[in-house]
Amino acid sequence: DAGITQSPRHKVTETGTPVTLRCHQTENHRYMYWYRQDPGHGLRLIHYSYGVKDTDKGEVSDGYSVSRSKTEDFLLTLESATSSQTSVYFCAISPGQGRYEQYFGPGTRLTVT
Amino acid sequence: AQSVSQHNHHVILSEAASLELGCNYSYGGTVNLFWYVQYPGQHLQLLLKYFSGDPLVKGIKGFEAEFIKSKFSFNLRKPSVQWSDTAEYFCAVNPNNAGNMLTFGGGTRLMVKP
Repeated sequence: DAGITQSPRHKVTETGTPVTLRCHQTENHRYMYWYRQDPGHGLRLIHYSYGVKDTDKGEVSDGYSVSRSKTEDFLLTLESATSSQTSVYFCAISPGQGRYEQYFGPGTRLTVT
Repeated sequence: AQSVSQHNHHVILSEAASLELGCNYSYGGTVNLFWYVQYPGQHLQLLLKYFSGDPLVKGIKGFEAEFIKSKFSFNLRKPSVQWSDTAEYFCAVNPNNAGNMLTFGGGTRLMVKP
C-alpha cells in the first residue's frame, strides 16, 4: 500500500464545532484529494490539490475548506460541523506526470451529533 | 452529463462461480480506466488499470478487465471467485482532458457464498 496515513481514524464531535482531518503521505506525490463516502452516494470529491498551496473545489465542497502548506500534508477542515457531514472521509494521492491512478488512505469515520 | 455506470448494484455468487461486473462510461475520446476493490471496513485498493495497448488487462488477485472502445465498456472478470472476494467494486474513469481527476461509478457489492 502507498504510504498514506489519516488522522484521526475515528472522531465524534458535536454540531457547530470545528474539525480538522489530516492526510499525510510519504510518496512525494503531487496530487492529493479528499473524498467522502456515504451509502447510496458512492465516492464524492470534496477538494483536491495539485501542488503546495494549489487547491480547487470538487463536487461537494460547501462547508469544507482545505490547506496544503507542505507536499506531504493535506488538511480538511469543517468550519462548523453539521450532522449532514457525518461520513467516512478518504484521502487519496496521485503521482501525476502521466500517471493517473489514485491511492487511498485508510479513512476517517466522522460522526457529528 | 458524462458519467460512469455500474448497472449491477448487488451480485451474489457461490464460490467457484465466474464473475463479470459491468462498467460503462459516456466520455468520448481517450480515457484511462481503473477498477478498485473495497473490502468491508477498508479503503479502496487498486485492482487494475488500463492506459493503452492490449485491451485485456490483468490485475491482482486473479482479476482481469477488457476494454471495448466501441461499447464504451471496461468490464471486470474473474474465472472463479472465492469467499474472500466479497467486497464492493468500483470502476473509475479518467478522461484524457481531465488532468488527474477520476470519476467513479456507484459501485457493485459482491457477496460470495461459501
